[in-house]
Amino acid sequence: GIQVEQSPPDLILQEGANSTLRCNFSDSVNNLQWFHQNPWGQLINLFYIPSGTKQNGRLSATTVATERYSLLYISSSQTTDSGVYFCAVVKTGGYNKLIFGAGTRLAVHP
Amino acid sequence: DGGITQSPKYLFRKEGQNVTLSCEQNLNHDAMYWYRQDPGQGLRLIYYSQIVNDFQKGDIAEGYSVSREKKESFPLTVTSAQKNPTAFYLCASTDGPSTGTDTQYFGPGTRLTVL
Repeated sequence: GIQVEQSPPDLILQEGANSTLRCNFSDSVNNLQWFHQNPWGQLINLFYIPSGTKQNGRLSATTVATERYSLLYISSSQTTDSGVYFCAVVKTGGYNKLIFGAGTRLAVHP
Repeated sequence: DGGITQSPKYLFRKEGQNVTLSCEQNLNHDAMYWYRQDPGQGLRLIYYSQIVNDFQKGDIAEGYSVSREKKESFPLTVTSAQKNPTAFYLCASTDGPSTGTDTQYFGPGTRLTVL
């Protein structure tokens, strides 16, 4: 099946720093989503981005489908950005079966 | 407010017991999903349902059962056959049934602990 690899696995930042999270996938996809899981476990949708670039406030994401990777940018990080960031994909023709990466655990310190 | 609700938030089970986790959505979504998350890992698909009275096994269906009698409800039963049921269980839904291009929305989850 399709493989989803996220890097780095762990990231520690000072408040105000910028960061880039990466998601590599091993096959063509027609769905890619980025999620933030807060300390209480709730998964929050950040982006639906199977291709192209989107921005939402301090967050932006870019997916280059032909090269099978996606990037999530966090600028001017805040302590509330802490948590786990997941990338999840649906293989082309794979209905809505999301395949998740293992996540990037982010800790932002004041 | 529209959304997905799961209950209970925390559940404790003795070995050998079956338990049922509730998932309800008022988004009028066709498809619903159950995922399992183990500590430090991503989510894995247990079962999914694209339409009422129909459901399909996901990647780790052994020891679990589901039903989809109503569009808004998709309960998950963790049976005694599930060898390691302690985990965080998340329910999700999408508007479209099967194109693969829909955004999935998640409920707040149920933490199951087997004593």
